[in-house]
Amino acid sequence: DTEVTQTPKHLVMGMTNKKSLKCEQHMGHRAMYWYKQKAKKPPELMFVYSYEKLSINESVPSRFSPECPNSSLLNLHLHALQPEDSALYLCASSQDGTGGADTQYFGPGTRLTVL
Amino acid sequence: DAKTTQPPSMDCAEGRAANLPCNHSTISGNEYVYWYRQIHSQGPQYIIHGLKNNETNEMASLIITEDRKSSTLILPHATLRDTAVYYCIVRSVRLTFGEGTQLTVNP
Repeated sequence: DTEVTQTPKHLVMGMTNKKSLKCEQHMGHRAMYWYKQKAKKPPELMFVYSYEKLSINESVPSRFSPECPNSSLLNLHLHALQPEDSALYLCASSQDGTGGADTQYFGPGTRLTVL
Repeated sequence: DAKTTQPPSMDCAEGRAANLPCNHSTISGNEYVYWYRQIHSQGPQYIIHGLKNNETNEMASLIITEDRKSSTLILPHATLRDTAVYYCIVRSVRLTFGEGTQLTVNP
């Protein structure tokens, strides 16, 4: 089983709202990732957690706040977003985040619209 | 991560083999070649990966040249459901997506 689940599937929020995206995997993976994908563009890495510690932050604005409560769960807290933050947010997981042959498996994504 | 070059689009007839090329001339010795595909508005789907040897699984075959500077993904019998953007990625730690190839399988 290589399933990564993400909730919600769709989210519409105002610029003053606070919301959270959730990602879950039960493959025993110890690395989890957040990507952002704008329309007609490839996914771009935002954050990497390895063994529940943040290992990579690709200079993402502080209005995006990741959290990894345990090895199966990854959250992305959103606050004071801008309309240009509207995108597909993808979660992925892999065995240990060491690269090389460490295959990442992606969830279906959350489509976020900021009004 | 090494940069990859793929054609922006390709067409293939249903039932025929689809051969998707990728150039990665700056690849280094410990970097793997990965292929993913993304059907419109869905999450990327892992297809196959390899280091030096050719690889085959239930979805596709991956042919890597001896100098490792290029590779080809082969879908042996393309179906309409294989229409997607195909990404060739050379990775060490990060998975950096390029623009990919839009493969359209025609009836």
